Amino acid sequence: DAGVTQSPTHLIKTRGQQVTLRCSPKSGHDTVSWYQQALGQGPQFIFQYYEEEERQRGNFPDRFSGHQFPNYSSELNVNALLLGDSALYLCASSPRAGAINQPQHFGDGTRLSIL
Amino acid sequence: QKEVEQDPGPLSVPEGAIVSLNCTYSNSAFQYFMWYRQYSRKGPELLMYTYSSGNKEDGRFTAQVDKSSKYISLFIRDSQPSDSATYLCAMSTGNQFYFGTGTSLTVIP
Repeated sequence: DAGVTQSPTHLIKTRGQQVTLRCSPKSGHDTVSWYQQALGQGPQFIFQYYEEEERQRGNFPDRFSGHQFPNYSSELNVNALLLGDSALYLCASSPRAGAINQPQHFGDGTRLSIL
Repeated sequence: QKEVEQDPGPLSVPEGAIVSLNCTYSNSAFQYFMWYRQYSRKGPELLMYTYSSGNKEDGRFTAQVDKSSKYISLFIRDSQPSDSATYLCAMSTGNQFYFGTGTSLTVIP
């Protein structure tokens, strides 16, 4: 049973560039959430997708956008990259049907470095 | 004030010790409480999940929730070197998760 998979594992970009990160949820899960984890900090919620729509959003600017596909996989896009966007980006999935009583399962993340 | 407060440590204990990790929170709407373990360069791994006050035990791990005090704890009995990791508490209203900053734990053989 495949867990949450993310790609790429590492990425280096320069300021002002754009980046796309990808996530495949755990089998049987249809809800995907994205988090940003800065070094030494806990994950910060970016947004959540269900039925191909953004359902919840944390305190992140519009430079952060996402998409969910019919097969439940998801992308996180970040435009106009800043040095402060350097972080580990985590994807988590859960079964929506049990979202209120099922915890999220995380992938190993994409480590994004901005030069 | 942060939604969730967690002592970052670091915490260093000898093998076999009992470890106590704690978090406090301010939002009384939190209903679900979790503990995750995160090894270096890995994603968080779910350890414990509970939605009520009281204790929940799973092997060497016990999660404790006190909603009246807005305080949760994770106890690790007979700690092992393989328990060395960062432990994150997380809480949810049902839609959005809020994480603590994590406590770094080292178990010395």
